[in-house]
Amino acid sequence: AQRVTQPEKLLSVFKGAPVELKCNYSYSGSPELFWYVQYSRQRLQLLLRHISRESIKGFTADLNKGETSFHLKKPFAQEEDSAMYYCALTTNFGNEKLTFGTGTRLTIIP
Amino acid sequence: GAVVSQHPSWVICKSGTSVKIECRSLDFQATTMFWYRQFPKQSLMLMATSNEGSKATYEQGVEKDKFLINHASLTLSTLTVTSAHPEDSSFYICSPVDPKSTEAFFGQGTRLTVV
Repeated sequence: AQRVTQPEKLLSVFKGAPVELKCNYSYSGSPELFWYVQYSRQRLQLLLRHISRESIKGFTADLNKGETSFHLKKPFAQEEDSAMYYCALTTNFGNEKLTFGTGTRLTIIP
Repeated sequence: GAVVSQHPSWVICKSGTSVKIECRSLDFQATTMFWYRQFPKQSLMLMATSNEGSKATYEQGVEKDKFLINHASLTLSTLTVTSAHPEDSSFYICSPVDPKSTEAFFGQGTRLTVV
C-alpha cells in the first residue's frame, strides 16, 4: 500500500527566509504527487501537482523518484504562507483517490 | 476554483441518532465523490468512493451500514452517519472530482460531535 510521510508537524520560518516542507512517499509504481494547502478557517485547496510543473504562489516541488521525495520549496517566505500543508499522492491518474500525509503547519515569523 | 458546498458546517447530536451531511458541487458535475474523515491532529483518511448512480466503495475498516453514502445526482452526494456514537465524532470532508480537469475539490468540512 502507498504511504506519504511528512516528518515535520510544525515548521517556523522567518519572513524572507527560504522554506522547505519535506514529503516522502512509498509506492512501487509511478504515483502522481500533490501539495494541498489549508489556510486558517478555509477549506483544503490544491497548491500544485507535479505533472503540471507549475509554480504557484512562488512554491515549487520537484519529484525525485530516486529519493521518493516531493519536497515543497519557496525561496522567500511571506507571512501569508502561514498555513497547514498536506502532501498527497494518487495511484489512479484521472481518479483522484488521495493518500495524504499528516501535514505540516507552517508559521511565518514576521 | 470550483465551488463546493458542504452542509452543515458543524452538528452536535445525541448518541443513537443519525446525521446527514450534504455535499454539492455547484459549478461542475462530479461523477466521482470521495468522503474523508479527519480525527484531531491526524491526516485525512479516505472513507469511501462513490460514483454517480452506483454503490459506494468503502475503504477497509469503514462500516458501510453505518456510513451510508448516496450519490443520486452529479451535483449532490450525501453521507449519513447512522446510530452515531461518540467515537464517530470527527471532521468529515467531501471531495468531488471535476472530470474535465481531474482535479479534486473539497468541501469546507463538517465537524460532528456525538454526545
